[in-house]
Amino acid sequence: QVQLQESGPGLVKPSQTLSLTCTVSGGSISSGSYYWSWIRQPAGKGLEWIGRIYTSGSTNYNPSLKSRVTISVDTSKNQFSLKLSSVTAADTAVYYCARDTAGYSSSYDYWGQGTLVTVSS
Amino acid sequence: DIQMTQSPSSLSASVGDRVTITCQASQDISNYLNWYQQKPGKAPKLLIYDASNLETGVPSRFSGSGSGTDFTFTISSLQPEDIATYYCQQYDNLPPTFGQGTKLEIK
Repeated sequence: QVQLQESGPGLVKPSQTLSLTCTVSGGSISSGSYYWSWIRQPAGKGLEWIGRIYTSGSTNYNPSLKSRVTISVDTSKNQFSLKLSSVTAADTAVYYCARDTAGYSSSYDYWGQGTLVTVSS
Repeated sequence: DIQMTQSPSSLSASVGDRVTITCQASQDISNYLNWYQQKPGKAPKLLIYDASNLETGVPSRFSGSGSGTDFTFTISSLQPEDIATYYCQQYDNLPPTFGQGTKLEIK
């Protein structure tokens, strides 16, 4: 059973960089044809896709965040990471990592529990 | 970006009721649509993929249909544990986008 777990600071100051890591267990991040994604959800609001990475290192980002987002992967640690720079209060949200089945059919079949990141001084 | 519009935004129904949620895409997305269930404080859970395919382990009272721009999600007989917010999501084009959600409550 694949499991994902987000980790990182719960409080980030405005203008700084938000950094989160997702650790994948129960299977190799390199096995199968999966993308590994980040999705966020402000309190009481809907879901916003941030971006994804393939284990080759190929990435796709949401154009609305592209200038501030970097997603990377460390296959030796079975982890992938998110960096979001120049954060503001609008970036306060629960951040989820998820597995994207990709390919012909794409869906998020495994999710982390989510981690709340608050942007505040 | 493709806009996904769900209706209604909220819904109150009784146990045993048939519940239907609709999702409309701003352009043709074929059957590239998924449905998720999110309970308070939890991550979303995949229920339906490719518009009508039931994810493994999901009860058969959940179903989905549609193609093109108009999609429907149905719970055939509402159970107390189905209280949640439901989201549709398209993956025809990047970025993937979600509907605004439908909050389902028990009457």
